[in-house]
Amino acid sequence: GAGVSQTPSNKVTEKGKYVELRCDPISGHTALYWYRQSLGQGPEFLIYFQGTGAADDSGLPNDRFFAVRPEGSVSTLKIQRTERGDSAVYLCASSQTLTGELFFGEGSRLTVL
Amino acid sequence: AQSVTQLGSHVSVSEGALVLLRCNYSSSVPPYLFWYVQYPNQGLQLLLKYTSAATLVKGINGFEAEFKKSETSFHLTKPSAHMSDAAEYFCAVNRGNEKLTFGTGTRLTIIP
Repeated sequence: GAGVSQTPSNKVTEKGKYVELRCDPISGHTALYWYRQSLGQGPEFLIYFQGTGAADDSGLPNDRFFAVRPEGSVSTLKIQRTERGDSAVYLCASSQTLTGELFFGEGSRLTVL
Repeated sequence: AQSVTQLGSHVSVSEGALVLLRCNYSSSVPPYLFWYVQYPNQGLQLLLKYTSAATLVKGINGFEAEFKKSETSFHLTKPSAHMSDAAEYFCAVNRGNEKLTFGTGTRLTIIP
């Protein structure tokens, strides 16, 4: 596709449930990033992949959060035992270079009831 | 740790007036600096970036920003605001380690 694609665009779940959020980056972009944006805040870094491996996962808040990128393209962010505080917009971005110019998807809005 | 501070979570300007959105960074070395814009129900879009080639950076939609090392600032300006400029603007910094750190954002409202 022409841009970064994220699915679902909206997800409502109950506390304690498991959630997967998918990101399809721009073709050819080797770097993929996940950010989280809470209401009234700027995007907060979660994890960054270079190819298939997680180059930096220092932003993941705890071990309930996990992300994979098995073939170096599509990535899935997985959240176990969701909590109300996980409610936010989860943003995915991809990049072709190391200059920091990220191309963002429209985000997946997660609401945990 | 590097960070950015955006002064003013909300800014309102009249259509045709100057737009000034403030960003200050904290970094011990000259960083890469960015401005992103987020229109309602859309993803973040790069407006412009500073990578040390020139201190005055021109971006899309008539925006520009000037890197001032002495003031550790990278303020975003536009001479004449349009209604279509209404959006949220984020300043971000990267010291070359591939991780962008964003400010808290400034919501720009244009008054007709």
